[in-house]
This record gives sequence, structure tokens and C-alpha cells, in this order.
Amino acid sequence: AQSVAQPEDQVNVAEGNPLTVKCTYSVSGNPYLFWYVQYPNRGLQFLLKYITGDNLVKGSYGFEAEFNKSQTSFHLKKPSALVSDSALYFCAVRGLNYGGSQGNLIFGKGTKLSVKP
Amino acid sequence: EADIYQTPRYLVIGTGKKITLECSQTMGHDKMYWYQQDPGMELHLIHYSYGVNSTEKGDLSSESTVSRIRTEHFPLTLESARPSHTSQYLCASRLVTGELFFGEGSRLTVL
Repeated sequence: AQSVAQPEDQVNVAEGNPLTVKCTYSVSGNPYLFWYVQYPNRGLQFLLKYITGDNLVKGSYGFEAEFNKSQTSFHLKKPSALVSDSALYFCAVRGLNYGGSQGNLIFGKGTKLSVKP
Repeated sequence: EADIYQTPRYLVIGTGKKITLECSQTMGHDKMYWYQQDPGMELHLIHYSYGVNSTEKGDLSSESTVSRIRTEHFPLTLESARPSHTSQYLCASRLVTGELFFGEGSRLTVL
């Protein structure tokens, strides 16, 4: 069965410092991995994804994520946090070769990022 | 600029009322989804559709129903709303590249 875990409910960072939001996954075979961001009273916005290729993926708003197959992780990172990065962040996974309902994305529980000035 | 539209954005209704949450997308996507989002953030898949006349229940049991008569339209209906249905409902469609594109959500409050 597929699953994804975000071990931290909340991450607090000072503006200008690097940030990391953690995600680990479990899936049979090679994964599709995604990060989404949600601002208050809005829908989710796609940030970046990993399907294959370079383990370091660059996305929107200066975010990047590193795929680590041996640790089954896909942590979201940004070198210098902004107050405007404060939001909810969701990691999601699905297997490459799943059909039917198993082809749907599975989302983590979300991590609230708070960036203080 | 949104290509997937959800209406209403906010709805407050009384117990026992029938409600329909609308979701429309202009991208021609076959795969569409409804998620229910707890106040505590977690997303739960409640319905999905892989095309016209195709609807399936998701991982979380829901008393709502959906229909897919046209590719662009995927409405969700609650025949008799209860306070336990108070939540945010997010509609999404899937791009051919695999990621989901979400609407802005419909926040439902049942009194």
C-alpha cells in the first residue's frame, strides 16, 4: 500500500534562514512525488514534482526538493525563507504503475510553516 | 488565473437542506477529484471520476454523491446536510503530466 508521512505538524523558521519540510513515503516500485502549498482559504497550488531523472528538483517560488531513494524521502527546501512562505505544505505520492484507484495521489497530513520576521 | 472553478466559495445553511457544490474545469481533463479537508488540515479523497459517466467513491466514506455527465462538470450533492458535513471541499482535475490542479475550494458550514 502507498503512504506518505510528514513527521512535523509545524515548522518555525526565522526569515532569511534556510527551511526544510520533511516528507517520507512508501510505495511499491518507483514513485511520483509532489509538493503542494496552501494559503489560507485557498486551494492547493502545485510547487514541484519528481518523476525520474535528477534527484534535485527545482520548483516555484525558489523551492526545491531532494529525492532520496535509499531513505525514501522527498524533503522540501528553500535556501532563504520569506515571511510570505508561511502556509500549509502537503507532500503527495503515487506509484508509477498503479491503475484504478491506486493511481490516485495520496497526501500527507500537511505541515504548517511559520516564518517570523 | 483559475481554470477550475468552484461555487459557492462559502455557504452557510441549516440542517436538512439539500446542497450542490459546483466544480467546472475548462482544460478538458478526464480525471477529476473531490477532497474533503478537515479543520486540522488533512485531505481525504471522497470521490473521483476518470471520465464521463464514471464515478467512484474515494478512501473516506461520504454521504455525498457526485455525477459526471459532461467532461467539464463534476458537481457534488448532499441530499440532507448535517453539522458533521461542515468542512472545506476541494475539487481538482489531473493534468496529463500527473499533478493535480485545484480549485479554490468551497467552505460549507451546516448549522
